[in-house]
Amino acid sequence: EAQVTQNPRYLITVTGKKLTVTCSQNMNHEYMSWYRQDPGLGLRQIYYSMNVEVTDKGDVPEGYKVSRKEKRNFPLILESPSPNQTSLYFCASSPDRGISQQYFGPGTRLTVT
Amino acid sequence: SQQGEEDPQALSIQEGENATMNCSYKTSINNLQWYRQNSGRGLVHLILIRSNEREKHSGRLRVTLDTSKKSSSLLITASRAADTASYFCATVGGGAQKLVFGQGTRLTINP
Repeated sequence: EAQVTQNPRYLITVTGKKLTVTCSQNMNHEYMSWYRQDPGLGLRQIYYSMNVEVTDKGDVPEGYKVSRKEKRNFPLILESPSPNQTSLYFCASSPDRGISQQYFGPGTRLTVT
Repeated sequence: SQQGEEDPQALSIQEGENATMNCSYKTSINNLQWYRQNSGRGLVHLILIRSNEREKHSGRLRVTLDTSKKSSSLLITASRAADTASYFCATVGGGAQKLVFGQGTRLTINP
């Protein structure tokens, strides 16, 4: 089944404790992206990747890192999480430079205390 | 930066009625897409309409695009309880490689 998977689905952590949210897609898509969703603010793009070893900042990249060592994986790294990073995070992939339909993962609900 | 703005923010109708949601945007676009999100879950792509298209259909969905007014509408006909969800429009700008989402319309279908 074609899908985007994220892990973990739920995470409660404390300020400053490094964490990684994994994202994997099995559709051989070149384009992958991370979004955060907050009430009243909609979805905002954090980082995106056009291909392996090619990443770029989205609209809200501060406090986040990403890597794209393999085509299928695009982990999101929070080196020192803070409470303002409490949010619902989505990974997505797309076959066409991000301009066509995007396929979303199920989401990761992160709480930073 | 938010491009699309949906209207209304919330809509509640009876099952069987039609639901119309509107989206306005600010800059030129390559295409406009509509997504559905069930509470707290991932977004599901519904339909994509390109800037040179005016109308598109998919099952009970009808999307229109008016580039002169920088607006789009999503019509869901013969609504069902399962259509209860949030609906988002998202635009892809002429030179951009990303979707920019609006804040969504929360649709509730009452049985």
